[in-house]
Amino acid sequence: SQQGEEDPQALSIQEGENATMNCSYKTSINNLQWYRQNSGRGLVHLILIRSNEREKHSGRLRVTLDTSKKSSSLLITASRAADTASYFCATDRNYQLIWGAGTKLIIKP
Amino acid sequence: GAGVSQSPSNKVTEKGKDVELRCDPISGHTALYWYRQSLGQGLEFLIYFQGNSAPDKSGLPSDRFSAERTGGSVSTLTIQRTQQEDSAVYLCASSLVQGMNTEAFFGQGTRLTVV
Repeated sequence: SQQGEEDPQALSIQEGENATMNCSYKTSINNLQWYRQNSGRGLVHLILIRSNEREKHSGRLRVTLDTSKKSSSLLITASRAADTASYFCATDRNYQLIWGAGTKLIIKP
Repeated sequence: GAGVSQSPSNKVTEKGKDVELRCDPISGHTALYWYRQSLGQGLEFLIYFQGNSAPDKSGLPSDRFSAERTGGSVSTLTIQRTQQEDSAVYLCASSLVQGMNTEAFFGQGTRLTVV
């Protein structure tokens, strides 16, 4: 069963704008990870945030985690055409990652 | 190798045939995972290996599915008597330590089409 649920399911923005995606989960976690999947390519790890962390940055990416609300957000600033992809959050449960259905992000030129 | 390698990249098979999918994880990664992804969906967990043993096979959809891992390295996922609902992309991932508390590295997947 799915643990994470991404919101929105699809997002279309102009190049240069910021994109925000949200993820909600159901049970307690050790960490939450965000991955990107380009068309025709495998999944690529973007960032991992541990349950005792509240915010993490990596380049143009900013991830927040609110364990009280069981939610996380991924912010991509100054979006580029190359950011067009599906974004998934994954939470760990014991030794496996539980995945949501993803947010499809389209960056318009 | 430099990354997780899966073969074949694409497989078209007739309903009722058996197929074997291969995953070659990153050298030194003890944990190996198989997932299935249907079109537009998230990832469905199938099985997890720690070394050569599979502590959890609960994700396998039916007894037509089996997997093994030899030498703590290469893994094969076998689907017997394939059905059309087996059509999906099968993804393999490996990680350095148990618990997925580190980054998971994914292969490019095997796209299976059952006709």
